[in-house]
Amino acid sequence: QQQVKQSPQSLIVQKGGISIINCAYENTAFDYFPWYQQFPGKGPALLIAIRPDVSEKKEGRFTISFNKSAKQFSLHIMDSQPGDSATYFCAASRGDSNYQLIWGAGTKLIIKP
Amino acid sequence: EAGVTQSPTHLIKTRGQQATLRCSPISGHTSVYWYQQALGLGLQFLLWYDEGEERNRGNFPPRFSGRQFPNYSSELNVNALELEDSALYLCASSLEGPANEQFFGPGTRLTVL
Repeated sequence: QQQVKQSPQSLIVQKGGISIINCAYENTAFDYFPWYQQFPGKGPALLIAIRPDVSEKKEGRFTISFNKSAKQFSLHIMDSQPGDSATYFCAASRGDSNYQLIWGAGTKLIIKP
Repeated sequence: EAGVTQSPTHLIKTRGQQATLRCSPISGHTSVYWYQQALGLGLQFLLWYDEGEERNRGNFPPRFSGRQFPNYSSELNVNALELEDSALYLCASSLEGPANEQFFGPGTRLTVL
């Protein structure tokens, strides 16, 4: 019940295409769902995050879609660019302050020029 | 504003030795997290400190330990090093609680020979 399952493990998308990464969780108490982006040799950095009071959040080319009933959330990258090539991690947590983030296993995204 | 800093950048040890890794959080952040990232793999949660106290611990043996100092900086100690401890060790900091954005440092690459 503590897991966050992320898929696919790797993804290759043509430049200009839409990249979609999915995550599923089981703990209905989770109420904070961030996505982190990690470039080689760097630590992860927060990309976008959502809380379950909304079904979608958009920031530029990046959109999180959230389906509370299905306990799933996904990251969509529109007009994917080679600079988006990175590893993406989803995570989930509860709002109370004694619960750490539960991380997905990561998706290595490659955008082909 | 200075980001999360970690030292050293690289550390080479032999089996059985001890390693000490250091982390300075962003000013104003009270929570510090340690993660292990083996090559090409996801983030494995190690430890979470807040206000000098250990708040949570991941599924790692007791030879992984740490502490947080009054200035909120933190130290990770790994005793009796094993070959499989070779990994990138990432430190992150946040305002109190993991439901806030975690800011990551560049990591310490530990190699055990």
